[in-house]
Amino acid sequence: DIQMTQSPSSVSASVGDRVTITCRASQDISNRLAWYQQKPGKAPKLQIYAASSLQSGVPSRFSGSGSGTDFTLTISSLQPEDFATYYCQQADSFPATFGGGTEVEIK
Amino acid sequence: EVQLLESGGALVQPGGSLRLSCSASGFTFSSYVIHWVRQAPGKGLEYVSAISSNGDSTYYADSMKGRFTISRDNSKNTLHLQMGSLRADDTALYYCVKDSTIFGVVTPPYYFDYWGQGTLVTVSS
Repeated sequence: DIQMTQSPSSVSASVGDRVTITCRASQDISNRLAWYQQKPGKAPKLQIYAASSLQSGVPSRFSGSGSGTDFTLTISSLQPEDFATYYCQQADSFPATFGGGTEVEIK
Repeated sequence: EVQLLESGGALVQPGGSLRLSCSASGFTFSSYVIHWVRQAPGKGLEYVSAISSNGDSTYYADSMKGRFTISRDNSKNTLHLQMGSLRADDTALYYCVKDSTIFGVVTPPYYFDYWGQGTLVTVSS
């Protein structure tokens, strides 16, 4: 299985800050990567797919980049509703695998 | 509006069995691959299983092979997960998840665009 490594595991930030989360795959997955947002007690929500495509309804302050093995999720100006845990997921081979998650906390 | 509603979660003893169900609405259920993904309490996400749109093809993560069986009834827009030989490490919230593409076959890329709210399975004596 492809291993997905996210960093950092948590980040403290303030409203308006720029936040970047990284994800590394154990092998080349091209651009087959997704990012999910999960709030406490809720199901994950797809934010970005194909590494950089914004899912319908997701605010444009979210962006993704990368290809091959290294990927980033950026929130350009953190809003109160963005405090959550974010997971990356490789979509290239079965079984899909997820990173360990990054908790974005209020500073 | 796409909705996925899981049910069937319960407290079960180690070695026991359980059948989860997922009722779908708001999309053409018979056209999409559906997956199960689970999340142990306080932990990350783990992939479980997938089934093709017509139910002919099924796939499992290695730790579930031989113990879990996924099935679907397209006439009732319902998905099932039969779980057997349950272990403590199967304790998790089980999510029913819709694949984002309309291919109907289990093929990459695997993006999950709609998730149910999950049903909790607890394996304990």
